[in-house]
Amino acid sequence: QVQLVESGGGLVKPGGSLRLSCAASGFTFSDYYMSWIRQAPGKGLEWVSYISSSGSTIYYADSVKGRFTISRDNAKNSLYLQMNSLRAEDTAVYYCARRRLPYWYFDLWGRGTLVTVSS
Amino acid sequence: NFMLTQPHSVSESPGKTVTISCTRSSGSIASNYVQWYQQRPGSSPTTVIYEDNQRPSGVPDRFSGSIDSSSNSASLTISGLKTEDEADYYCQSYDSSTYWVFGGGTKLTVL
Repeated sequence: QVQLVESGGGLVKPGGSLRLSCAASGFTFSDYYMSWIRQAPGKGLEWVSYISSSGSTIYYADSVKGRFTISRDNAKNSLYLQMNSLRAEDTAVYYCARRRLPYWYFDLWGRGTLVTVSS
Repeated sequence: NFMLTQPHSVSESPGKTVTISCTRSSGSIASNYVQWYQQRPGSSPTTVIYEDNQRPSGVPDRFSGSIDSSSNSASLTISGLKTEDEADYYCQSYDSSTYWVFGGGTKLTVL
């Protein structure tokens, strides 16, 4: 079954680190460009980061640049987000999402993993 | 950089038609495609419109999208409203400097 499953969320103190994972199944992961998108509690969607199918092209939102690192392992069908220097405003549900090529939208989303940054 | 602005909420009765707007702050709305996502409570977003007015397979034709260059905005129209359409709706666009931009979302109440 075609799906994305995020994991790795939890409670972390300000300044701490966390690594999120997204396991893909049911499709050829290495063919697809992927993103992380987050949603703060009761708020709207915010795009966070993007990686091309080979990993050669990477983009970040200004709000996370220099603190977050996106990566992927096509052999393991997995997407990652390393989050360092976490702040309270990073508290959100983090979704991984698949870009529908050649279009500029996301056609498959995971259920999300909650990251809470609090002392 | 640009922003997409949506009304915070709209409401309409079952069977009626509702339109949700999405206004681009700078640059032409026609310069990059607009997508629309539906997010029901407790669920992940799903696409209802892509490339301004295209419906993914499985999305009923009650959902339609358009753009209006004169108001620099995009619109999502839902006709024949059903209670199951009650959800948050987000517009989204892209450009090569800002990358993916989402609107703030509109809560649709079907009452």
